[in-house]
Amino acid sequence: AQSVAQPEDQVNVAEGNPLTVKCTYSVSGNPYLFWYVQYPNRGLQFLLKYITGDNLVKGSYGFEAEFNKSQTSFHLKKPSALVSDSALYFCAVRDGDAGNNRKLIWGLGTSLAVNP
Amino acid sequence: DAGVIQSPRHEVTEMGQEVTLRCKPISGHNSLFWYRQTMMRGLELLIYFNNNVPIDDSGMPEDRFSAKMPNASFSTLKIQPSEPRDSAVYFCASSKESRAGYFGPGTRLTVT
Repeated sequence: AQSVAQPEDQVNVAEGNPLTVKCTYSVSGNPYLFWYVQYPNRGLQFLLKYITGDNLVKGSYGFEAEFNKSQTSFHLKKPSALVSDSALYFCAVRDGDAGNNRKLIWGLGTSLAVNP
Repeated sequence: DAGVIQSPRHEVTEMGQEVTLRCKPISGHNSLFWYRQTMMRGLELLIYFNNNVPIDDSGMPEDRFSAKMPNASFSTLKIQPSEPRDSAVYFCASSKESRAGYFGPGTRLTVT
C-alpha cells in the first residue's frame, strides 16, 4: 500500500537556523514526490518535486529536498529559516509507474513555526 | 495564467440544502482533483478526473456527494442534502501529466 508519513506534527526553529521537515514514503513503483506549503486561510502552493535525476531538488523560496531511495525519504530543508516560512507543509507521493493513475497520497502535514 | 478558479469562495447554508461548488482548472491541464480539508481529518482526496473521466471516487464520503466534469474547463462538486459535518474547505486542483498539481484558493463551506 502506498503511504506517506510526516512524523512530526510540529517543528519549531529559530529564525536564521536551518530547518528540516521530515517525510518518508512507501510506494510500489518509482516515486514521484512533492512538497506543498499552506499558509493560513490559503490553498496549497507547490514548492518542489522529484521525478527523476539529481537527488537534490531545489524549489521555491529557498527550499530544497533530498531524495534518498535507500531510506525512502524526501526531507524538506532550508539553510536559514525566516519567520515568514511559518506555515503548514505537506509531503505527497504518487506511483510514477501507475500510468494514468495520478492520485497523490498525502501526509498529514507538519506545522512549522519559525520564532524571531 | 489565472490559475485554478473556484467559486464561491465562501458558502454558508442550512442543513438539508443543496450545495454546488465550481472549479475551472488551468487551461491545458487534463487531471482535476477535488479535496476536502478539515482540522480533524486533514486533507482528503474525494475524487479525481483524467480527461474529464472520473478515475477514482473512492474518497467520496457518501451518496450525498457527486461530482461532474462535463468538459475540460469546468467541474462541479455537489452535496445534496448538506449536513453540518460537511463543513470544511473544499479545494480543487489540476495538473498535467507528471507535473505538480496546482490548487485553487478553496471554498469554505459552513453548513448550519
